[in-house]
Amino acid sequence: TQLLEQSPQFLSIQEGENLTVYCNSSSVFSSLQWYRQEPGEGPVLLVTVVTGGEVKKLKRLTFQFGDARKDSSLHITAAQPGDTGLYLCAGVSGGYQKVTFGTGTKLQVIP
Amino acid sequence: DADVTQTPRNRITKTGKRIMLECSQTKGHDRMYWYRQDPGLGLQLIYYSFDVKDINKGEISDGYSVSRQAQAKFSLSLESAIPNQTALYFCATSDSEADQETQYFGPGTRLLVL
Repeated sequence: TQLLEQSPQFLSIQEGENLTVYCNSSSVFSSLQWYRQEPGEGPVLLVTVVTGGEVKKLKRLTFQFGDARKDSSLHITAAQPGDTGLYLCAGVSGGYQKVTFGTGTKLQVIP
Repeated sequence: DADVTQTPRNRITKTGKRIMLECSQTKGHDRMYWYRQDPGLGLQLIYYSFDVKDINKGEISDGYSVSRQAQAKFSLSLESAIPNQTALYFCATSDSEADQETQYFGPGTRLLVL
């Protein structure tokens, strides 16, 4: 069974602070995805990273795929209340592109 | 209109009752999934279907069954509901022809089993 552990599980910070969320596994993935879920809604894909060591930026969000393709990080610069939500990493593997979701990080940004 | 819809959005039922959760999609995707979400456990895959005639068990299929009535419809049944099936349930779709696997989720069904 492939497991994706995220840390921290919960994070409460003040508006304007920076933060990093980690996603770790002992398994190798062909790609790694990050989703954000807001209360009362389903997860929505933010980004997919494909190459080991790849870094992608989405405005104030920076995503990195580990060199060994087993881990990833999400860094948010100058967090805003609109960043509040549950962040889920997901590893994609196998010929039919099986998706395994991480345990989730619940982020609260206080104005 | 939402591309992936789920009914009902909320459901309260009693132990032992049979219930069905329904999912419909207008995205034209061939793949559909049912997930369960519990606090601190992310999303756990219950069942998935790659087309109408293809149904597969996920990580936690015990106590659940599914039916793919058409490409656009995928329903999840709890044959005899128990309290530890209280959770948030999500349906998702994806397109096997896409360059990268992207799952599109419905809004979820909140189920409470008393």
